[in-house]
Amino acid sequence: GNSVTQMEGPVTLSEEAFLTINCTYTATGYPSLFWYVQYPGEGLQLLLKATKADDKGSNKGFEATYRKETTSFHLEKGSVQVSDSAVYFCALTFVTGGFKTIFGAGTRLFVKA
Amino acid sequence: KAGVTQTPRYLIKTRGQQVTLSCSPISGHRSVSWYQQTPGQGLQFLFEYFSETQRNKGNFPGRFSGRQFSNSRSEMNVSTLELGDSALYLCASSLPSGGAWSYEQYFGPGTRLTVT
Repeated sequence: GNSVTQMEGPVTLSEEAFLTINCTYTATGYPSLFWYVQYPGEGLQLLLKATKADDKGSNKGFEATYRKETTSFHLEKGSVQVSDSAVYFCALTFVTGGFKTIFGAGTRLFVKA
Repeated sequence: KAGVTQTPRYLIKTRGQQVTLSCSPISGHRSVSWYQQTPGQGLQFLFEYFSETQRNKGNFPGRFSGRQFSNSRSEMNVSTLELGDSALYLCASSLPSGGAWSYEQYFGPGTRLTVT
């Protein structure tokens, strides 16, 4: 079946540190991959996406590359800010009649000043 | 353009009661999906509607149902509420991009349901 596994948190970093949040998936077919972010007290927002192998999604300094050979979609940012503190969700969307999205468990990130 | 709206934002119900939650998608979006978010189970897919038809359903009991209207607004209903139904219920809408779906979803703020 389809599933998403992401690293457990919380992850605590100092401002300007490098961030990696690991995400691996299992899927039949060719899903689209996403990172969504949930800031404190807010709803989920799309952060970035990739729709096929080797695509790189990027937004707000965050990047992730769709790696089919390693079934991974790791999120990276070169220099985190306090304002990046949030919960990050890796997700895959696949077509089955309509479409269906499977989310990872979420990784909470704390960034200290 | 207005975002996805959900009403009510907060709801307290008693076990055994039923509840109806409403979602208005972004104008022009025709697909609406519903999710349940809990600390223990995370985000779980409930169902997806497109053009008033349920196209996909997650692994939830039949007490969870939904529908979509001709204006793409959607409702979900939970009957015979249980304590374990306490959760944040999120609605998301999507729009096909050009000739194909991009599948990116735009989420509403959610309805916080507490069952006592």
